[in-house]
Amino acid sequence: RKEVEQDPGPFNVPEGATVAFNCTYSNSASQSFFWYRQDCRKEPKLLMSVYSSGNEDGRFTAQLNRASQYISLLIRDSKLSDSATYLCVVNDDYKLSFGAGTTVTVRA
Amino acid sequence: DTGVSQNPRHKITKRGQNVTFRCDPISEHNRLYWYRQTLGQGPEFLTYFQNEAQLEKSRLLSDRFSAERPKGSFSTLEIQRTEQGDSAMYLCASSPGLRGGNTEAFFGQGTRLTVV
Repeated sequence: RKEVEQDPGPFNVPEGATVAFNCTYSNSASQSFFWYRQDCRKEPKLLMSVYSSGNEDGRFTAQLNRASQYISLLIRDSKLSDSATYLCVVNDDYKLSFGAGTTVTVRA
Repeated sequence: DTGVSQNPRHKITKRGQNVTFRCDPISEHNRLYWYRQTLGQGPEFLTYFQNEAQLEKSRLLSDRFSAERPKGSFSTLEIQRTEQGDSAMYLCASSPGLRGGNTEAFFGQGTRLTVV
């Protein structure tokens, strides 16, 4: 079983729509969690950290469910510029494990 | 530019040749990571340094791969006797390394290796 698994998508949504997707992780002792964004042929960049209580950053909301070992990302009022691959990242003290990414395409 | 710097950005090499990549992390970041990414996949962990100590090496890393961080600052990743399957983007990242903290890793722009 992979350490981090994501629905690869793609999610094709119109501008203004809400899109949400999950990621599951295998190590129950994992300590911290992140969502990274990666544009085509670019390096990953941090989108947001994920806290136990859930957190919001503008149009983006991240949730963590430790009991079920999944995290989620929700994008509201999606923009064309949100088109990217979203990488779920799990930190086991020092090692960052990445999912394969969820591709989101926002169309006009 | 105070971000993570990698060079070269692109490398084309013939099968069987050796290649070396360099990564300059953000100053004073004591953790440095190497990842490999192929098309359609997320970055795969290769190895990790805490200062100059290499603390873990992935089973993905064959004996042809070696990484160093001699003074705890920049790092090099060498691939000997390259094979076509080594073609990938090699990403370096660094982080402040606060134990247990929610510290992000910052990535360089990567070195794209093509083995022909």
